[in-house]
Amino acid sequence: EPEVTQTPSHQVTQMGQEVILRCVPISNHLYFYWYRQILGQKVEFLVSFYNNEISEKSEIFDDQFSVERPDGSNFTLKIRSTKLEDSAMYFCASRPDTAGELFFGEGSRLTVL
Amino acid sequence: SQQGEEDPQALSIQEGENATMNCSYKTSINNLQWYRQNSGRGLVHLILIRSNEREKHSGRLRVTLDTSKKSSSLLITASRAADTASYFCATGVQGAQKLVFGQGTRLTINP
Repeated sequence: EPEVTQTPSHQVTQMGQEVILRCVPISNHLYFYWYRQILGQKVEFLVSFYNNEISEKSEIFDDQFSVERPDGSNFTLKIRSTKLEDSAMYFCASRPDTAGELFFGEGSRLTVL
Repeated sequence: SQQGEEDPQALSIQEGENATMNCSYKTSINNLQWYRQNSGRGLVHLILIRSNEREKHSGRLRVTLDTSKKSSSLLITASRAADTASYFCATGVQGAQKLVFGQGTRLTINP
């Protein structure tokens, strides 16, 4: 069964360092998303991506964040200069259209020291 | 203000009992979805109900939607220990591509 895959599963970084989280969405999906979840808290929307451009972004998704689809399969989230409060679980999700369910990856846990 | 808010935040019941979780939202929606998250894992879609539907069933799950009250409920019947997880409602907002998630209900089923 097709699935969304994310790497790395866990990354530890120093404050101020750049981090790239990678995702491979399901191949025939057209809409891609990043969400984050601080431990034990709600799942927060970061950004949605369609047709090679950002379609929506939240207030959390400031200039330190960027997304890219560098080829036909990968979808990346870059945090340019990490802060302590960026420590969270980051989930990638995709879906074939805007009306149906989201398919989530297992997440990348980011720890900023 | 939050789009989706689940109630209760935590629920602990005995195996075999029914579990009911509620979700309230604030804006007009296209659909409402329920997801499950086991500890430390990704979210898994359970069921979707459209704004023109009032009730939907899937196995032991029953979802209701009341658009006049902007609320939904998820009922899990004959609960099992394996149902222990966090449950989130998510709303598809008109004119937007994103799903907005609530705070979640942490459900514990005691054997």
